[in-house]
Amino acid sequence: AQRVTQPEKLLSVFKGAPVELKCNYSYSGSPELFWYVQYSRQRLQLLLRHISRESIKGFTADLNKGETSFHLKKPFAQEEDSAMYYCALAPRSGGYQKVTFGTGTKLQVIP
Amino acid sequence: DADVTQTPRNRITKTGKRIMLECSQTKGHDRMYWYRQDPGLGLRLIYYSFDVKDINKGEISDGYSVSRQAQAKFSLSLESAIPNQTALYFCATGSRSEQYFGPGTRLTVT
Repeated sequence: AQRVTQPEKLLSVFKGAPVELKCNYSYSGSPELFWYVQYSRQRLQLLLRHISRESIKGFTADLNKGETSFHLKKPFAQEEDSAMYYCALAPRSGGYQKVTFGTGTKLQVIP
Repeated sequence: DADVTQTPRNRITKTGKRIMLECSQTKGHDRMYWYRQDPGLGLRLIYYSFDVKDINKGEISDGYSVSRQAQAKFSLSLESAIPNQTALYFCATGSRSEQYFGPGTRLTVT
């Protein structure tokens, strides 16, 4: 069975401070990992995926297969980063049938 | 961006009533999903469909049913609503692994 764990329900940081949102996963096969973001009163949207190895809005995430982690990082938090962040896993076997989401972490950036 | 739309956006209903939530998409995707979002529980998959003739249960399908009327339409029904079905419901479409979400329907069952 696949599982995604986000240990922090709420993360509060000051503007300009570094941010790290934790995500650990459990899956026996080869997964594809994502971060989705939900800003206040907006729909969930894809932030980034591990295979793209890109930086979006200053955020990066590296897949660590040894630690089964996919933490989201940003060196300097901005107020507009305040949102709900979800880590998600899609199994490559079976054609990515069932995406599993974590419980989410609310990021609060304090001015 | 109105590629995935949901109706209604808000609904208050009473225990025991039947209610239908509708989802339409213009992205041309075959895959469609229904999730519910609850505080502290994140997103949980209710049902998913990979084409009009393919319907699959998710992790919390009890008390729900779905209908895939066309490639672009996927509706979720609560046959007899109960208060613990009060939640925010999201429809999504999928292109292989990436998903595109609707704006959500806030359902309250009293």
